[in-house]
Amino acid sequence: DQQVKQNSPSLSVQEGRISILNCDYTNSMFDYFLWYKKYPAEGPTFLISISSIKDKNEDGRFTVFLNKSAKHLSLHIVPSQPGDSAVYFCAASPNTGNQFYFGTGTSLTVIP
Amino acid sequence: NAGVTQTPKFRILKIGQSMTLQCTQDMNHNYMYWYRQDPGMGLKLIYYSVGAGITDKGEVPNGYNVSRSTTEDFPLRLELAAPSQTSVYFCASSPGGTQYFGPGTRLTVL
Repeated sequence: DQQVKQNSPSLSVQEGRISILNCDYTNSMFDYFLWYKKYPAEGPTFLISISSIKDKNEDGRFTVFLNKSAKHLSLHIVPSQPGDSAVYFCAASPNTGNQFYFGTGTSLTVIP
Repeated sequence: NAGVTQTPKFRILKIGQSMTLQCTQDMNHNYMYWYRQDPGMGLKLIYYSVGAGITDKGEVPNGYNVSRSTTEDFPLRLELAAPSQTSVYFCASSPGGTQYFGPGTRLTVL
C-alpha cells in the first residue's frame, strides 16, 4: 500500500522555466514532509522540508507548498537549471524521527 | 567528516548465502535507517534504530536482521539470500528530521 505517491514518473522543463513536482499522500497522521534529490549511483540528498503547521517553505530557488486538506504537496524550482536534472523523491512521516515513507520518485530533466 | 559510509559498494551473492552490509556514521546521530530501492520504486524502510541497543521493523523487514551496539554502526544482515533481495540498499542517519544517506550498496542475488 503506497502511502506516498508521485504520479508523474518523469518531467522535462526548459532551462530558466519553473519545474513543479507533485506528491500526494493518504495518511492524515503525516505531519512532516521532505524532498530529496538523487543523482545516479549516489544516495539521496536532502533538499527541503515542511511541517504540517506551515503551508509554505522557501529555500533559495526551491519552494515547497503543503495543502493538508487535499493531502498534497508540491516542489517548485525557479528558475530551473541543467544541474537540477535528477530524480526527486518526496517523503512523509508521522513524526520527525521514526518511520519515513517515500514516493516512487519523479525524474526531472532540465533542457539547456 | 565522512558522513555515512557503506561497504561494500557492489556484491553478487548466490542463493542461500549470507552477508552483512556495513554502515557507519560519524555525525553522532541517534537515528539510523536501512532502506532498499527496487528499480522504478521508491525507498522502502527495512529497519530503523532510535539509539544504541534499540531497533525496530520498518515496512519490509522479512529476510533481514539488524543490530545497533554503538551509536556509529548499524549493520544489516541477510541470512539466506534470495533473488527477491536483489536491490540497492541505502543506509541513513538522522539527528531527528532530515536524513543523511550513504552512497548505497548494489546487491545482486543469483
